[in-house]
Amino acid sequence: SQKIEQNSEALNIQEGKTATLTCNYTNYSPAYLQWYRQDPGRGPVFLLLIRENEKEKRKERLKVTFDTTLKQSLFHITASQPADSATYLCAPSSGGYQKVTFGIGTKLQVIP
Amino acid sequence: NAGVMQNPRHLVRRRGQEARLRCSPMKGHSHVYWYRQLPEEGLKFMVYLQKENIIDESGMPKERFSAEFPKEGPSILRIQQVVRGDSAAYFCASSPPVTGGNYEQYFGPGTRLTVT
Repeated sequence: SQKIEQNSEALNIQEGKTATLTCNYTNYSPAYLQWYRQDPGRGPVFLLLIRENEKEKRKERLKVTFDTTLKQSLFHITASQPADSATYLCAPSSGGYQKVTFGIGTKLQVIP
Repeated sequence: NAGVMQNPRHLVRRRGQEARLRCSPMKGHSHVYWYRQLPEEGLKFMVYLQKENIIDESGMPKERFSAEFPKEGPSILRIQQVVRGDSAAYFCASSPPVTGGNYEQYFGPGTRLTVT
């Protein structure tokens, strides 16, 4: 069955450093992969989408990579800030009508 | 442009009662998705609807749960005869028809259902 793995444990990082979050998937051939941010008590917010033919995507301090051979996506936040503290969800999809499956998420804590 | 709206934000029901959760998608969005999230667990897909049609309900329990998205009005997720295990946050998301490869979903604030 399809499986998405994200670091289930929280990631603590010092302010100003680069945070790197990992998303691995198995039994999947996603056409694209999305990353969302979720704050406690709120709905997820879309951050970035990367397609299978793209190796890397950037948006301000965010960078996503997509390695279809390794079946892995990495999500980087450079110059991290306490306001970046949240849970980050990985969501690969095979496309079509947009059914999206979410990983459990990685909780990021940026320490001032 | 208002975002996705869900109501109520909090809902308390006793075991055996019915729960009705409402979702108004963003203006111009014709696709609605419902997800369930248990504490410390990921978002679980339940159902995907377009206006007046259920496209995929593979994530929805066969019994007691139903969803609709009528031509007029909000999408409704209905849970009959609720049990304690139904306690969770239920999120609705919407998206426009896919154009230019845009697949992002816009989520509402969720409805927190507590079954006592």
